[in-house]
Amino acid sequence: QVQLVQSGAEVKKPGSSVKVSCKAPGGTFSTYAISWVRQAPEQGLEWMGGIIPVFGPAYYAPKFQGKVTITADKSTSTAYMELSSLRSEDTAVYYCARSIETGYYYGMDVWGQGTTVTVSS
Amino acid sequence: EIVLTQSPGTLSLSPGERATLSCRASQSVSSRYLAWYQQKPGQAPRLLIYGASSRATGIPDRFSGSGSGTDFTLTISRLEPEDFAVFYCQQYGSSPITFGQGTRLEIK
Repeated sequence: QVQLVQSGAEVKKPGSSVKVSCKAPGGTFSTYAISWVRQAPEQGLEWMGGIIPVFGPAYYAPKFQGKVTITADKSTSTAYMELSSLRSEDTAVYYCARSIETGYYYGMDVWGQGTTVTVSS
Repeated sequence: EIVLTQSPGTLSLSPGERATLSCRASQSVSSRYLAWYQQKPGQAPRLLIYGASSRATGIPDRFSGSGSGTDFTLTISRLEPEDFAVFYCQQYGSSPITFGQGTRLEIK
């Protein structure tokens, strides 16, 4: 079973930034869409944006435009999500997830384990 | 942005019963690009259904999806104890991708 492996939990100060990584098995990375999904405590799922590494530019939900930067390193099969100007409301679990088929943002069948980001002074 | 509204918010049923979960979209979902996920506490979501009615790999056939346009349904034909969780619908036919607010399926 394909697994995505995310970086560990982070505790950050308000106003700072955080960068979360998501590593995929080699050979399957570049043509699949990788999305980032946020889940605040006791809340639902929010799509933040995603990237298809072979195509290049990331796409963002309007709410996260200017707040999030999603990139991908094809050489290491790793996607990254950087969240800036952190506020307490950014405290959440952040998941990366892979599309079930190549070339588009389809349903997501492979998920990372989640990375908890806590923003606290 | 397509808004997905799930109903009911909470569904209380017993093992062995049939569950019917609804997901209504504010606009037509193109190409039936609608998925369903199950999430248990402390776990990542699990894809159950994509393309409105196709089961993901390893999903038991008691789970089925139907619908088109703006109205979609997830049916669990006969509930097993491990099925109780929160369920989300998601549309990926229009940007941005959006999720419903979730339906909690609890044991009665």
